Amino acid sequence: EDKVVQSPLSLVVHEGDTVTLNCSYEVTNFRSLLWYKQEKKAPTFLFMLTSSGIEKKSGRLSSILDKKELFSILNITATQTGDSAVYLCADHSGGSNYKLTFGKGTLLTVNP
Amino acid sequence: NAGVTQTPKFRILKIGQSMTLQCTQDMNHNYMYWYRQDPGMGLKLIYYSVGAGITDKGEVPNGYNVSRSTTEDFPLRLELAAPSQTSVYFCASTPDGGGVYEQYFGPGTRLTVT
Repeated sequence: EDKVVQSPLSLVVHEGDTVTLNCSYEVTNFRSLLWYKQEKKAPTFLFMLTSSGIEKKSGRLSSILDKKELFSILNITATQTGDSAVYLCADHSGGSNYKLTFGKGTLLTVNP
Repeated sequence: NAGVTQTPKFRILKIGQSMTLQCTQDMNHNYMYWYRQDPGMGLKLIYYSVGAGITDKGEVPNGYNVSRSTTEDFPLRLELAAPSQTSVYFCASTPDGGGVYEQYFGPGTRLTVT
């Protein structure tokens, strides 16, 4: 059974700090790893990673995948209070049903 | 496009009552999913469907039922509500094929069973 573990579970930083969120996975037939941001509503898609070593970037957010060590990191530079949210990672491990297995999430709080 | 819509937004049920959570998507996605999210936890898959007339159990299906008579609609039924079913329920959909695995989520239904 797929397993996705995120760390830390929660994190409090000040505006302007840089944070790194971690996601490790154990899957039998890895296809891709996805990151979502969840404020007090539905998750919104950030990145999908399928290849090792290739960084995906969007503004101050970036993510990279290491398929050998089975983990991914999400970096947020120059954090803002609007970055406060739960960040979820999920893996897609193949099959024709496109199921995702989610980790518990990292609660990020950015204080002014 | 409205995307994925869910009704109701909030509901309070008494133990033993039944209800249906509605989910509709207008993106012509074949794949649809129901998740529950408990406080401090990630999303757990309840049921999913790969097309009209086809449904299957996810990780936590007990106490729930689904049906998929059309591509657009994927209702989730709670037959005998229990306090353990207090949670936020999300419906999601994804297009099939093409290596697209991103799931599009509805706004959620917050359910309290007392």
